[in-house]
Amino acid sequence: EAGVTQFPSHSVIEKGQTVTLRCDPISGHDNLYWYRRVMGKEIKFLLHFVKESKQDESGMPNNRFLAERTGGTYSTLKVQPAELEDSGVYFCASSQDDDLNSRDSNYGYTFGSGTRLTVV
Amino acid sequence: AQTVTQSQPEMSVQEAETVTLSCTYDTSESNYYLFWYKQPPSRQMILVIRQEAYKQQNATENRFSVNFQKAAKSFSLKISDSQLGDTAMYFCAFMKHDGNQFYFGTGTSLTVIP
Repeated sequence: EAGVTQFPSHSVIEKGQTVTLRCDPISGHDNLYWYRRVMGKEIKFLLHFVKESKQDESGMPNNRFLAERTGGTYSTLKVQPAELEDSGVYFCASSQDDDLNSRDSNYGYTFGSGTRLTVV
Repeated sequence: AQTVTQSQPEMSVQEAETVTLSCTYDTSESNYYLFWYKQPPSRQMILVIRQEAYKQQNATENRFSVNFQKAAKSFSLKISDSQLGDTAMYFCAFMKHDGNQFYFGTGTSLTVIP
């Protein structure tokens, strides 16, 4: 079974440019999550999709961030225009079931390797 | 609001020795889950161990065990017989019983020295 795939693995862009990150969840997983870790700080929740719908976007920092999940498959996270403080590692995770207790031994959450974004 | 604190940014341990990573948290919830995740360099984050708050017995997974002190809101991870492959960033995390969002700490970078 393929895991959660994120690309690019690294991206370096200039302030003011646009960057789009992509996440391919495990096939069949309805739930898709984006998290972000700014250097030296905790990993923070950004948003949660259930299929193509945004279930919770309370963690999105501002309107320069736009997440989509057309068709309920892969998701993109676009940052436009990028600022220096957007630098960090962006993680994606997916799960099949919303009930933590019914999940498999990994408790259903599978994380990707992350995209390291550097804004210069 | 939930917060998770990991006070050790970096730690090292000799191969085959035992190391304990600290984690404290703050919540007003009575039922929740606690996790330790591991992220090896340039690889995906994987679950090491999890604990349900309503269970008094400490979770154990092979060489990994936790010391869960609910009253103190402490959840430390003990790694016994450390191996080179244990070198990674370790994140402590919290989730409400009826939630699906993780609250993570800042991480502890563990290096196992040969």
